[in-house]
Amino acid sequence: LAKTTQPISMDSYEGQEVNITCSHNNIATNDYITWYQQFPSQGPRFIIQGYKTKVTNEVASLFIPADRKSSTLSLPRVSLSDTAVYYCLVTNTDKLIFGTGTRLQVFP
Amino acid sequence: DTAVSQTPKYLVTQMGNDKSIKCEQNLGHDTMYWYKQDSKKFLKIMFSYNNKELIINETVPNRFSPKSPDKAHLNLHINSLELGDSAVYFCASSPSGGTMVPLHFGNGTRLTVT
Repeated sequence: LAKTTQPISMDSYEGQEVNITCSHNNIATNDYITWYQQFPSQGPRFIIQGYKTKVTNEVASLFIPADRKSSTLSLPRVSLSDTAVYYCLVTNTDKLIFGTGTRLQVFP
Repeated sequence: DTAVSQTPKYLVTQMGNDKSIKCEQNLGHDTMYWYKQDSKKFLKIMFSYNNKELIINETVPNRFSPKSPDKAHLNLHINSLELGDSAVYFCASSPSGGTMVPLHFGNGTRLTVT
């Protein structure tokens, strides 16, 4: 499974755009990039998934460059309720391995 | 109408005891999983079942025995509990196993072994 590297923590303020970058230099051709969000005392929640270029849904955008060795999760206009841990996963199966993720703290 | 529900939410027990965690999903999914999140927050797969059949067993000690009475339920029984079993156990489900479709997780069971 491709290993991912992402910042341990990030701080932001309400209303700002937050970009979390994930490195995955060893991504395989059939791997997809998936992001999950986890609040304290809850299970991870799927946010977005992509293979290349850009994917957008009602929650976030995912930017993937042509070489696919990294990806950026973009959260527009964050609110206090976006405070959580965000995990980047690279996989082509359901055998997910979550790393330590990025702990995002949003301040008022 | 929680999609994936686990019971109990908290479980405190002593070493050597046997305990079970129950999981139910009402999403109509075919595949269910048990994941374990350790103290360092790493979350890894333990088992997966597809329509009551064991698909993945990630070298988990045989003290851990999953049981799936039907495709909506996947229970986890743990024998002879050890201190190192303390963790948060998450149940999850997906429409189909083996692919990278999004998983739906329950809210976890925090197991503390004393």
